[in-house]
Amino acid sequence: NAGVTQTPKFRVLKTGQSMTLLCAQDMNHEYMYWYRQDPGMGLRLIHYSVGEGTTAKGEVPDGYNVSRLKKQNFLLGLESAAPSQTSVYFCASSYSLADYEQYFGPGTRLTVT
Amino acid sequence: GESVGLHLPTLSVQEGDNSIINCAYSNSASDYFIWYKQESGKGPQFIIDIRSNMDKRQGQRVTVLLNKTVKHLSLQIAATQPGDSAVYFCAENQAGTALIFGKGTTLSVSS
Repeated sequence: NAGVTQTPKFRVLKTGQSMTLLCAQDMNHEYMYWYRQDPGMGLRLIHYSVGEGTTAKGEVPDGYNVSRLKKQNFLLGLESAAPSQTSVYFCASSYSLADYEQYFGPGTRLTVT
Repeated sequence: GESVGLHLPTLSVQEGDNSIINCAYSNSASDYFIWYKQESGKGPQFIIDIRSNMDKRQGQRVTVLLNKTVKHLSLQIAATQPGDSAVYFCAENQAGTALIFGKGTTLSVSS
């Protein structure tokens, strides 16, 4: 049982490039989330999904897109990377939206130059 | 929007002391609260949770206290160990919404 995994672990992009971060979970959770973590800012929710084929915006969705084609995977896309998107990105999953703990992946450190 | 905040960004304690990490929340409608621990280079890990119909909940070496009157949440760690050094986040949740995280408190434990 691997829990929540993220690929890649590190990435450096040039401004304007695109990329996709992959999150996978093997716990059969319905809910999945993407957060970004910046120094002194805590975790901020980008997008989340309440089930296969559904997504919703979080606190800071601009500049990102997501897809949930399979229950176990949640993809985060950056179409045109900007230096302001330099951050550590965490994926999480949970059994339910409320009242249940979220399980986090190890994170992806993204630098946009 | 609503936010969860922590009183102090850093806390330094001696090994063996008890640690208290505080968190203030602003949304009186929040009904579920969680504490997470994040070690350097890792994702947050669940420590303990508490529902709004409770005042106190205990785990192994940890206790969470909830004071709804003043909208205050605290995490107490007994006999703090060097392995407890990490960033601690509180998070709040209303039924049907996603978790909102505070900014975190860095706990440093010296031997």
